[in-house]
Amino acid sequence: KQEVTQIPAALSVPEGENLVLNCSFTDSAIYNLQWFRQDPGKGLTSLLLIQSSQREQTSGRLNASLDKSSGRSTLYIAASQPGDSATYLCAVNNAGNMLTFGGGTRLMVKP
Amino acid sequence: DADVTQTPRNRITKTGKRIMLECSQTKGHDRMYWYRQDPGLGLRLIYYSFDVKDINKGEISDGYSVSRQAQAKFSLSLESAIPNQTALYFCATSGLREGRNEQFFGPGTRLTVL
Repeated sequence: KQEVTQIPAALSVPEGENLVLNCSFTDSAIYNLQWFRQDPGKGLTSLLLIQSSQREQTSGRLNASLDKSSGRSTLYIAASQPGDSATYLCAVNNAGNMLTFGGGTRLMVKP
Repeated sequence: DADVTQTPRNRITKTGKRIMLECSQTKGHDRMYWYRQDPGLGLRLIYYSFDVKDINKGEISDGYSVSRQAQAKFSLSLESAIPNQTALYFCATSGLREGRNEQFFGPGTRLTVL
């Protein structure tokens, strides 16, 4: 059974810092991996999707990497802003298109 | 307009009541999912459907049932609600595009069972 862990559970940084969120998974036979953002009381917004054959994906100030062999993914946020404050969720897609989610990292960027 | 909509957005009910949560999508996707989220936990899959005639149990299907009325509609029912079903419920859709199987989520339904 796939298990997904996100560390840290919560993170507080001053505005402008570069930061890294971590995601680890136990079964490396994945189809893809998605990073989501969740704002309080809102749904999930898909940020980046990395296929199993890819090493990284970039969107603006966000960069996600994937190392299947070690069961790890990182989400790098450059020059953080207060508007980046949210919970970030990592989800692994195994065969059958079922997502297994981590518990999330709650990020606070202070002005 | 949102691509994935859920109704109601909030619901408070009593133990033993039957509840239906509805999901509609305009993305034209074949695949639809229901998840629940509990405080401090990630989302867990309840049921999923790959087309109108296909229904599959997820990780935590006990106490729930679903109906796929059309490609665009997927409803979740709690036949007899109990307090530990208090949670945030999300509907999601996915479709193959450029070989990707990316999931898109609705805004969620906050359900409280007293």
